[in-house]
Amino acid sequence: ETGVTQSPTHLIKTRGQQVTLRCSSQSGHNTVSWYQQALGQGPQFIFQYYREEENGRGNFPPRFSGLQFPNYSSELNVNALELDDSALYLCASSLAVGETQYFGPGTRLLVL
Amino acid sequence: SQQGEEDPQALSIQEGENATMNCSYKTSINNLQWYRQNSGRGLVHLILIRSNEREKHSGRLRVTLDTSKKSSSLLITASRAADTASYFCATDPSRDDKIIFGKGTRLHILP
Repeated sequence: ETGVTQSPTHLIKTRGQQVTLRCSSQSGHNTVSWYQQALGQGPQFIFQYYREEENGRGNFPPRFSGLQFPNYSSELNVNALELDDSALYLCASSLAVGETQYFGPGTRLLVL
Repeated sequence: SQQGEEDPQALSIQEGENATMNCSYKTSINNLQWYRQNSGRGLVHLILIRSNEREKHSGRLRVTLDTSKKSSSLLITASRAADTASYFCATDPSRDDKIIFGKGTRLHILP
């Protein structure tokens, strides 16, 4: 157990819909990163938040957006869902940028 | 683009044997981390090695880093059935805020 929690655990949406995924960081961690992991692939970096500001972004379109709250919990929002967005979404928190990341169990999203 | 590439893609060994996985990357890094993932669940952090370190140990795990060759290796000694999992390296590039994972090595420990 890393102390990082994610909700929901599973989610089914249809193409075109919007989804919000949530992540609660480990206590004391001010940095959170989000990843998308397709089946059989390694996690792909979506973006990172440090003290409520975006601190780096991967090659994902603007319909992937995020927020980090004052308590350092975080949300990942995906608009206009596409079939290829079906994946495991992982968040990870760390004490600071560049430090060890601790992952949550993930949210498995299926887009039909 | 893929920064870290693990090798081999898949590995099957007998319980008790040692398992070695390699990771190569392309740009200079601040640190490199190894993770384990069981059956598509969340990743478990194993070891972080910084760019100025050459070797680290944690229990049955040994990680080496060669920045001149831009490569790292993970050695698991005296493997156990519970070590069956996918193993990923992740690099934290020096001039980039992205953290990049490879595609992983699928390790299967045979009884």
